[in-house]
Amino acid sequence: GQNIDQPTEMTATEGAIVQINCTYQTSGFNGLFWYQQHAGEAPTFLSYNVLDGLEEKGRFSSFLSRSKGYSYLLLKELQMKDSASYLCAVLQPSGGYNKLIFGAGTRLAVHP
Amino acid sequence: DGGITQSPKYLFRKEGQNVTLSCEQNLNHDAMYWYRQDPGQGLRLIYYSQIVNDFQKGDIAEGYSVSREKKESFPLTVTSAQKNPTAFYLCASSIRQAGGYGYTFGSGTRLTVV
Repeated sequence: GQNIDQPTEMTATEGAIVQINCTYQTSGFNGLFWYQQHAGEAPTFLSYNVLDGLEEKGRFSSFLSRSKGYSYLLLKELQMKDSASYLCAVLQPSGGYNKLIFGAGTRLAVHP
Repeated sequence: DGGITQSPKYLFRKEGQNVTLSCEQNLNHDAMYWYRQDPGQGLRLIYYSQIVNDFQKGDIAEGYSVSREKKESFPLTVTSAQKNPTAFYLCASSIRQAGGYGYTFGSGTRLTVV
């Protein structure tokens, strides 16, 4: 079967650092994405990892360990506008193509 | 500007009625997808299409139908067979293998059964 797990909710303080973890078990793997989604809006792309290691992009970084089926999203210098849901998604091969399978998302609340 | 457009933004349906959600993209993407999102949950794949005149069922296709007669368009019909259709529906598109570019999402349609 396939399973993508991430914590349901997290809280953090403005200016702090937060790490959102994601573990996955999927039949096939062609990369892992992180998306940000504000309530009632479309998800927006944050990061993509296909090789092991850390990808840094401004205040956001994403890490992948394929052998452990594990990824995390690191958010630094938190701002109030970072309050949103963060979706972990695995790109899975399917009949010669790819499709994205999503976790349930982590709802992050940033407090002053 | 290139993008993906979903309409309408809000839709109300009476029980027993079919309703069609529109999705149009001008990104020249080969692949298009429909997802459903329920409160507090992630996105679940309904149908996807990699090329014109071809589409595959996702994880929760029962009660839904699609067509892909043009590259730009991938409408989703929610039929009366769908027992719990109230949800937020997201359409997305990508280059054929997606890869590092991921998906581009539309702004969504919120469907409510009244």
